[in-house]
Amino acid sequence: EAGVAQSPRYKIIEKRQSVAFWCNPISGHATLYWYQQILGQGPKLLIQFQNNGVVDDSQLPKDRFSAERLKGVDSTLKIQPAKLEDSAVYLCASSLVSRDSNEQFFGPGTRLTVL
Amino acid sequence: DAKTTQPPSMDCAEGRAANLPCNHSTISGNEYVYWYRQIHSQGPQYIIHGLKNNETNEMASLIITEDRKSSTLILPHATLRDTAVYYCIVRVPGAGSYQLTFGKGTKLSVIP
Repeated sequence: EAGVAQSPRYKIIEKRQSVAFWCNPISGHATLYWYQQILGQGPKLLIQFQNNGVVDDSQLPKDRFSAERLKGVDSTLKIQPAKLEDSAVYLCASSLVSRDSNEQFFGPGTRLTVL
Repeated sequence: DAKTTQPPSMDCAEGRAANLPCNHSTISGNEYVYWYRQIHSQGPQYIIHGLKNNETNEMASLIITEDRKSSTLILPHATLRDTAVYYCIVRVPGAGSYQLTFGKGTKLSVIP
């Protein structure tokens, strides 16, 4: 079974530039998550999709971050414009929708450095 | 979701059992205990979860105290590949938002 795919793996940009990350979840997983992980901390949820609808985006800085999952499969996360404090690893995860299973499968992440 | 407290770091000799504690004294009756781990430069990986009974799978065992205020993740024979940050999370499965709230976890170093 293929895992969660993310690209790019690494990205270096200057502040005020724009950047986009891509995620392809495990086939059949209706729920998709984007997390931000700052060095030395645990991942923090930014946004959760179920199919192509947003379930929770309460921690997404909407003035600069946006995400979409138009066809309920792949997703993109965009930052425009980037700030120095956005330097982090951006993790995508997916899961089945089930009351009995909350196992989330994570991708390898995209490491963003903002200079 | 209830908060958890974990030691920031632990060492374990290779081949010995690694016992990782987690305190969740404010856990409510319908909250489960989940454990994930994150190996360097990888995304977190699910290990195990439980409600009140002890659980075991191919990766680890989870021991939850009778009052459910604390738990211990046991890796029975730690290897160098078990070096990682281990996260203890408590939450209600199947709640409207399936998000996991990660703390800083315990950094386990397995020493040769």
